[in-house]
Amino acid sequence: GENVEQHPSTLSVQEGDSAVIKCTYSDSASNYFPWYKQELGKRPQLIIDIRSNVGEKKDQRIAVTLNKTAKHFSLHITETQPEDSAVYFCAAATSGTYKYIFGTGTRLKVLA
Amino acid sequence: DVKVTQSSRYLVKRTGEKVFLECVQDMDHENMFWYRQDPGLGLRLIYFSYDVKMKEKGDIPEGYSVSREKKERFSLILESASTNQTSMYLCASGRSPGNYEQYFGPGTRLTVT
Repeated sequence: GENVEQHPSTLSVQEGDSAVIKCTYSDSASNYFPWYKQELGKRPQLIIDIRSNVGEKKDQRIAVTLNKTAKHFSLHITETQPEDSAVYFCAAATSGTYKYIFGTGTRLKVLA
Repeated sequence: DVKVTQSSRYLVKRTGEKVFLECVQDMDHENMFWYRQDPGLGLRLIYFSYDVKMKEKGDIPEGYSVSREKKERFSLILESASTNQTSMYLCASGRSPGNYEQYFGPGTRLTVT
């Protein structure tokens, strides 16, 4: 069936360094790719998303890149800060279905 | 601000009990979703609904059912709770057409003993 693989499962970086989380999807009909951040004890919240007609999208310190041919998309966080520490989930959705297939999550720790 | 609320933050039930988890959204969203979240497994879709009285099975529907009698409310039902249904349950809602963003509730941590 359709699935989304996410790596790494845990990631530790020094404050100020960059962090990259990668996802691979299986359904070639997927056309929407959101990233959610979940802080400890809180609900997941959308931080950035990208549609299949765009290769890259940036919002301040975070960016997402998409390679449709390879079915890969990645989250890039630059100049990491302690408040970036959280679990990050990628997901893929197919046009018209509105349902997500989530990756298994990445626990990011930013060390001060 | 979109508000998605869930009836309980923590719930403890016994094996075999019937369990109702309620989710309410106040933004007139058409789409509503129930997920369970387990460590190392991410969020897995149980059921979803695109409209009142409409439901679709997600990836792990076994042991669950849902009800959507009103647009703002989506209920998840465990007909006979089992210990392997101990988990965090998250509800989400979203608008259609064309907008894929989902807004999540705070979650219900269910323990079945």
